[in-house]
Amino acid sequence: DTEVTQTPKHLVMGMTNKKSLKCEQHMGHRAMYWYKQKAKKPPELMFVYSYEKLSINESVPSRFSPECPNSSLLNLHLHALQPEDSALYLCASSQPKGSGRRGLDTQYFGPGTRLTVL
Amino acid sequence: AQKVTQAQTEISVVEKEDVTLDCVYETRDTTYYLFWYKQPPSGELVFLIRRNSFDEQNEISGRYSWNFQKSTSSFNFTITASQVVDSAVYFCALSWHQGAQKLVFGQGTRLTINP
Repeated sequence: DTEVTQTPKHLVMGMTNKKSLKCEQHMGHRAMYWYKQKAKKPPELMFVYSYEKLSINESVPSRFSPECPNSSLLNLHLHALQPEDSALYLCASSQPKGSGRRGLDTQYFGPGTRLTVL
Repeated sequence: AQKVTQAQTEISVVEKEDVTLDCVYETRDTTYYLFWYKQPPSGELVFLIRRNSFDEQNEISGRYSWNFQKSTSSFNFTITASQVVDSAVYFCALSWHQGAQKLVFGQGTRLTINP
């Protein structure tokens, strides 16, 4: 089973709202990722968690705050967003690189959350 | 620098035609990994294939085939007898041994299969 789930599927929020995106995987993966994808563009990496610790932050503005409560869950807390933050937010999971067998660090993606900031 | 180029922005063919999506990559690492993902209109990125730099065998999976050529730094993807359900954006991506968990994507090729 290579399923990564994300909730909600769609989110509309005002610039003063606080909301959270959720991601869950039950593949036993110990690396989880947040990507942002604008229309007609490839996904852009935002954050990487490896063994529940933040390992990569791609200079993302502080209005995006990631959290990894346990090895299966990844949250993205949103506060004071701008209209240009409207995008598809994708979560992915894999085994961490160097975890042993070849190919296990292939990233598997969820269906995404379409975020609109008004 | 690590880079993936998908020169074809959009391709449109009639159902049952064969179509090849091109992917050219750049990396200085000798150990690297190449991927193809499919993104249908629903938005989910679906993993299709992974190829390691030390494994140059080409692969066929049903109507899909992949041609990995290290000499030309290319990893092309062919769909044989295309179907309407193949319509999607296809991304080629690269990760490398020293690159932590980073995955670099090409710009994507939008494939439309017309009935």
